[in-house]
Amino acid sequence: ETGVTQSPTHLIKTRGQQVTLRCSSQSGHNTVSWYQQALGQGPQFIFQYYREEENGRGNFPPRFSGLQFPNYSSELNVNALELDDSALYLCASSLAQGPSPLHFGNGTRLTVT
Amino acid sequence: LAKTTQPISMDSYEGQEVNITCSHNNIATNDYITWYQQFPSQGPRFIIQGYKTKVTNEVASLFIPADRKSSTLSLPRVSLSDTAVYYCLVGDVTGSQGNLIFGKGTKLSVKP
Repeated sequence: ETGVTQSPTHLIKTRGQQVTLRCSSQSGHNTVSWYQQALGQGPQFIFQYYREEENGRGNFPPRFSGLQFPNYSSELNVNALELDDSALYLCASSLAQGPSPLHFGNGTRLTVT
Repeated sequence: LAKTTQPISMDSYEGQEVNITCSHNNIATNDYITWYQQFPSQGPRFIIQGYKTKVTNEVASLFIPADRKSSTLSLPRVSLSDTAVYYCLVGDVTGSQGNLIFGKGTKLSVKP
């Protein structure tokens, strides 16, 4: 069974730039969620994708967007990066039918300078 | 979405049993209770999930009273490697499962 994998593991960007983070779901999982985790805080829900469509969103601005592909992998795109976007970005996969725990990857550490 | 309250930190010694209690007074009928463990610079790892009474797996037990307004994660005979942050989450598994509210969690420190 292949777990959730994320790339890259670390990334440094400049304020105003754009970034794309990638996630491969655990095999057999059809739902992907993205979370942002600032240092010392719990993960904050960004959005969730099921059947290639966004079906839930947290309190994040439109410059945070995503995609889910037919193989259930996913991308998180962030435009016009701000210093406060520096965080660990976590991807989690699960089954749409509950109860199905989230299985997280180890995240991408984004630093915005 | 039900909000949870749990202690910010706990200390224990190797070999002891650790119980972390979480309050969720506004839990809804469809909500399940799930606990995750997180080590620094890693994603949260699923520990255990339950709806009512008691659930046990190879690493932990979860006790849920009849009113479901709280739950207790029990870790038997902890070791140094159990030092981590533990999150209690309550969520509706019939809806958008990914939209779970993480608090700051409980930072467990296990000492030799």
